Amino acid sequence: KNEVEQSPQNLTAQEGEFITINCSYSVGISALHWLQQHPGGGIVSLFMLSSGKKKHGRLIATINIQEKHSSLHITASHPRDSAVYICAVIGAGNTDKLIFGTGTRLQVFP
Amino acid sequence: SAVISQKPSRDICQRGTSLTIQCQVDSQVTMMFWYRQQPGQSLTLIATANQGSEATYESGFVIDKFPISRPNLTFSTLTVSNMSPEDSSIYLCSVGLAGAKGQFFGPGTRLTVL
Repeated sequence: KNEVEQSPQNLTAQEGEFITINCSYSVGISALHWLQQHPGGGIVSLFMLSSGKKKHGRLIATINIQEKHSSLHITASHPRDSAVYICAVIGAGNTDKLIFGTGTRLQVFP
Repeated sequence: SAVISQKPSRDICQRGTSLTIQCQVDSQVTMMFWYRQQPGQSLTLIATANQGSEATYESGFVIDKFPISRPNLTFSTLTVSNMSPEDSSIYLCSVGLAGAKGQFFGPGTRLTVL
C-alpha cells in the first residue's frame, strides 16, 4: 500500500463543474504539497499546507491532520485546468524528502 | 519562492551516449533534488545534491549512472550516462528553501532514448 493515496485516479468534468480530488496518507507529516503537472511535464506548486485551509483564485486546499486527509477543490472548472494533480507529503522529522501520490489526471471539457 | 530553469527542455539521444542536464536557480539554495518520472509513473527521487558535499543517492540509483555536480548554491547538473531506452523519462530538479518547508520544481527535461 502506498503511503500517499489519491482518488480518483482519473477524472473528467464539464466546464464549470466543481471538482474535488482527495489525498490520504498513512505517515506523520510536517506539511503537504498539492502540485500541478501539465502535459509538457513541468510541475507547479499550487499549495503547501500543514493545517486548515488555503485559497488561491478558484483553487481551495484543505487538510485534516487528525484524519490524515487533504482535498483539493477547483470551482468553476475550465479546460485549462486539465492536468495531473499530485499530492506530496513531507514526512515528520528533519527531512525535506517528498513522498508522492500517484496523481489524478483531470480533463475538463468545454 | 524560487525561479528554476532547466536545459535542455527535451532531447532525443542514442543508446550508449550520455546527456548532462543543467538546473539553474535564481537564488542561493542549500538543497537541490533530482527526480525522475518514467512514463505514466509518479516522481522518484534520484539524489539530493548539497553544495560542498557529495550527492546522496536513493536506493536503486548510483553515482556511476547518474553523476551529479553542485559547484555553487545556484547551479547543479545531472548526467544520465550510457543511456538505454529505459532511461526515457522526464527529469526534474527542485530546490528546498530554508525556513519554508516544501520544494519548488523546475520545468523538467523530457528525454527520449532510441
